[in-house]
Amino acid sequence: KQEVTQIPAALSVPEGENLVLNCSFTDSAIYNLQWFRQDPGKGLTSLLLIQSSQREQTSGRLNASLDKSSGRSTLYIAASQPGDSATYLCAVRGDNFNKFYFGSGTKLNVKP
Amino acid sequence: DVKVTQSSRYLVKRTGEKVFLECVQDMDHENMFWYRQDPGLGLRLIYFSYDVKMKEKGDIPEGYSVSREKKERFSLILESASTNQTSMYLCASSSFGATDTQYFGPGTRLTVL
Repeated sequence: KQEVTQIPAALSVPEGENLVLNCSFTDSAIYNLQWFRQDPGKGLTSLLLIQSSQREQTSGRLNASLDKSSGRSTLYIAASQPGDSATYLCAVRGDNFNKFYFGSGTKLNVKP
Repeated sequence: DVKVTQSSRYLVKRTGEKVFLECVQDMDHENMFWYRQDPGLGLRLIYFSYDVKMKEKGDIPEGYSVSREKKERFSLILESASTNQTSMYLCASSSFGATDTQYFGPGTRLTVL
């Protein structure tokens, strides 16, 4: 069974810092990997989706990379802002095409 | 703008009650999902449906059932609510394509007393 792990569980940084969130998965047979953002008490919002054939995707200050062979993905956030404070989750879409496996998330706090 | 809506944001029920959580999507998606989210455990899949009247068990189906009579609507049923079912419940939908994301509803915070 696919297992997804995110490290660290929580991160606190000063505003303006560049930071990296990590996601690892145990089974490299994936269709895609997604990064989501979740604000307290709310649903998940998709940030970036990387297909299994791709190495990275970029959106604004966010860049996500995927190394399928090593079972790793990183989410890079440039010039962090207080509005980036949220929980970030990664999810892989597995070999059962309709199943998504989620990590427990990294709770990010960006201090003004 | 795509939208997934859930019938309630907050719900308080008593042990033994039958509970219905409803989810509606307006994107004509084939797939719909119910998750529960608990601190430290992340999102866990309860059930999903890939077509009308079709359903598959997820990782934690015990104590739950589902119904999908129309493509846009997916209901989660707690036959006899228990305190260990107190949680945040999230509904999502997606299409079949490999590039298609999951879209999530706002969640229902269920408390069972």
